[in-house]
Amino acid sequence: TQLLEQSPQFLSIQEGENLTVYCNSSSVFSSLQWYRQEPGEGPVLLVTVVTGGEVKKLKRLTFQFGDARKDSSLHITAAQPGDTGLYLCAGKTQGAQKLVFGQGTRLTINP
Amino acid sequence: NAGVTQTPKFQVLKTGQSMTLQCAQDMNHNSMYWYRQDPGMGLRLIYYSASEGTTDKGEVPNGYNVSRLNKREFSLRLESAAPSQTSVYFCASASVAVNYGYTFGSGTRLTVV
Repeated sequence: TQLLEQSPQFLSIQEGENLTVYCNSSSVFSSLQWYRQEPGEGPVLLVTVVTGGEVKKLKRLTFQFGDARKDSSLHITAAQPGDTGLYLCAGKTQGAQKLVFGQGTRLTINP
Repeated sequence: NAGVTQTPKFQVLKTGQSMTLQCAQDMNHNSMYWYRQDPGMGLRLIYYSASEGTTDKGEVPNGYNVSRLNKREFSLRLESAAPSQTSVYFCASASVAVNYGYTFGSGTRLTVV
């Protein structure tokens, strides 16, 4: 069974602080994705990374795919209340037609 | 707007009743999925359809059936609802053309009493 372990599960910080969320597995993924989910809505895709070592930036969010394609991180700089939500990582192994999801990190940014 | 449409948004059932959750996508995606989301359990895959005409079980298929009606529509049926099926249900679609980036619907909140 492929597992994606996210840490931390819960994070509550003050506006303006930086944070990093981790997504780890023993499996190798051909691609890895990050989603954000707000209350009452479905998850929304933020980014897809496919190459080991790849770094993608989305405004204040920086996503990195590990060199061995087994792990990923999401770093948020100067967090804002609008960043509050559930962050999910999801990986796809070669040949698979579905994603494996992590349990999620519930992030709260306090004004 | 293009996307995934789920109906209904809310539903209350009595134990033993049946119902069908509807899902339709207009992005010409080949693959469609049904997940349930429970507190502390994350997203759990119920069934998926990699392409029109095929369906496969996910990790929690018991008590559910699915139908891939055509390329656009993928329905989830509860034949005899149980309180353990109280959950939020999400439908998603994806395509290999976008590295299987999922587009999710806004969910159906189901309560079985």
